[in-house]
Amino acid sequence: AQSVTQLGSHVSVSEGALVLLRCNYSSSVPPYLFWYVQYPNQGLQLLLKYTSAATLVKGINGFEAEFKKSETSFHLTKPSAHMSDAAEYFCAVSHTGFQKLVFGTGTRLLVSP
Amino acid sequence: GAGVSQSPSNKVTEKGKDVELRCDPISGHTALYWYRQSLGQGLEFLIYFQGNSAPDKSGLPSDRFSAERTGGSVSTLTIQRTQQEDSAVYLCASSLGVVGTSGGDQETQYFGPGTRLLVL
Repeated sequence: AQSVTQLGSHVSVSEGALVLLRCNYSSSVPPYLFWYVQYPNQGLQLLLKYTSAATLVKGINGFEAEFKKSETSFHLTKPSAHMSDAAEYFCAVSHTGFQKLVFGTGTRLLVSP
Repeated sequence: GAGVSQSPSNKVTEKGKDVELRCDPISGHTALYWYRQSLGQGLEFLIYFQGNSAPDKSGLPSDRFSAERTGGSVSTLTIQRTQQEDSAVYLCASSLGVVGTSGGDQETQYFGPGTRLLVL
């Protein structure tokens, strides 16, 4: 069975500071990994995905994530936070490309001026 | 192009009534997924369609929940005899779902804005 653990239900940073959102996965087979962002009262928007190609994945809005098999991690980073980054972020894993996503519990990012 | 659309955006119903939630996937997407987002349970998978077939309906919480897809396009999620614990945001997603398509984007699920269901 697959699962995702997101450490920290809330992360607070100052504008301009590094953003680090943690995600660890459990999967018995090579995973597909995703980060989605959800703004208030909206659906989920894909930030980036790992599908067994490059281990360092760059996404939209300056975010990137690195797949580390030895650590079973897929942490999301952004060098400099912007106020508009305040949202909820979800890490997800799937077995193959066409099956269900298993989501973590989400991390709410708060950005202060 | 148009994204995934869902209707209604909000639905308030009384306990015991039936509700139907609609999802229009992105044109050309053969795979369609329903998820539920609630405070207590987070984001949960409900059912997956490939074309009009549902090879994975393992996430449907009870036999009060059913879904169908017609013409390989629109899907309807029906909840019968609604209960207060059914209150949640119901999200629909679609993906290309076809092996071998170009672009390498076949595995990405694109989400609609959701239907917020409140059962009184």
